[in-house]
Amino acid sequence: LAKTTQPISMDSYEGQEVNITCSHNNIATNDYITWYQQFPSQGPRFIIQGYKTKVTNEVASLFIPADRKSSTLSLPRVSLSDTAVYYCLVGRFAGAGSYQLTFGKGTKLSVIP
Amino acid sequence: NAGVTQTPKFQVLKTGQSMTLQCAQDMNHNSMYWYRQDPGMGLRLIYYSASEGTTDKGEVPNGYNVSRLNKREFSLRLESAAPSQTSVYFCASSEAGRGRATGELFFGEGSRLTVL
Repeated sequence: LAKTTQPISMDSYEGQEVNITCSHNNIATNDYITWYQQFPSQGPRFIIQGYKTKVTNEVASLFIPADRKSSTLSLPRVSLSDTAVYYCLVGRFAGAGSYQLTFGKGTKLSVIP
Repeated sequence: NAGVTQTPKFQVLKTGQSMTLQCAQDMNHNSMYWYRQDPGMGLRLIYYSASEGTTDKGEVPNGYNVSRLNKREFSLRLESAAPSQTSVYFCASSEAGRGRATGELFFGEGSRLTVL
């Protein structure tokens, strides 16, 4: 699975838009890009997934350029409750509907009042 | 729905002891996974089960065994615990299709294991 690189930490003020960029130079044709959020003492929670171009849901947007070697998670108007670790993952099907994901160290986002 | 339930939530073992972590999901998912997370690190895949009756090794399988007891349950066993296995263990499940994104895994709350 492709290795991902993302900033170790980021700070942002409440109400700002936050963009976290991840690089995945060795992404394969069948790989999807997925982002997870993890709060302390909890399991990770799925945020968004994409293959190419732009994907948007009720909590975030994901931008993927044509070469797919990087991706950017965009969180609009963050609040204190968005303080968490955000993981960028590249994954692929591992058979029978399962999905093999590799987690990196993630980006620790701290939202400041 | 409870989602993914792990037991126990906390456990302290002595080196060489054995134990089994239990995981159950009530979402009728085909695939289940065991990850471990060390302090300040991301999660690493230990084993996964794509469907009932199948299991496969992940990134760090050494020292662990798994059993997919039925569609709902997937257990992780440490036969002879070592201090290096001190970690937080997460179970997850997934079901591609049915309106779900292919990479959407549902995680339990974790089991915190300390091996002395």
